[in-house]
Amino acid sequence: AIQLTQSPSSLSASVGDRVTITCRASQGISSALAWYQQKPGKAPKLLMYDASTLESGVPSRFSGSGSATDFTLTISSLQPEDFATYYCQQFHSYPPLTFGGGTKVEIK
Amino acid sequence: QVQLVESGGGVVQPGRSLRLSCAASGFTFSNNGMHWVRQAPGKGLEWVAVIWYDGSTKYYADSVKGRFTISRDNSKDTLYLQMNNLRGEDTAVYYCARDPTMIVMYPDYWGQGTLVTVSS
Repeated sequence: AIQLTQSPSSLSASVGDRVTITCRASQGISSALAWYQQKPGKAPKLLMYDASTLESGVPSRFSGSGSATDFTLTISSLQPEDFATYYCQQFHSYPPLTFGGGTKVEIK
Repeated sequence: QVQLVESGGGVVQPGRSLRLSCAASGFTFSNNGMHWVRQAPGKGLEWVAVIWYDGSTKYYADSVKGRFTISRDNSKDTLYLQMNNLRGEDTAVYYCARDPTMIVMYPDYWGQGTLVTVSS
């Protein structure tokens, strides 16, 4: 199974900060990667797919990049509503589909 | 708009069974693959199973293979997860989620989840 390692596992940031989250795959997955945002007590929300394609309705301050084994999710200017946990997920090779361990973005 | 509503969760003893349902609306259910994903309390997301648009192909996580069965009734726009021989480690919120394709890529829309607690 392909493993996804996210870093950091948590971070503290202020409103307006630029935030970068990394997802590393244990083997090459081309661009078959999605990113999700989850707020406490809520279902995950799709942000990005195919590594860099923004889901409809998601603010443009979110961007994704990478291919093969190394990927990043960037929030260009952190907003109050962006404090949440973020997960990456690969769909290159299954079963199983796999998720990263998550990155919790907290208020500094 | 796409809506997914899970039901059937609850408290169940180890070794017993439970069936979850997911009622879909707002899209043509028979055109999309469907997933179950779970999240143990305070933990991350774990993919459980997926079924193709027509029910012809199913895949499972190793942790549930042989105990859980995913199925769908396209005439009722409903997805199911039959869970047998439940264990404590199956305790989680179970989400149903739509795939944007007929087969398998990634979940795009998610339900709000139903909590399954396995405890004696």
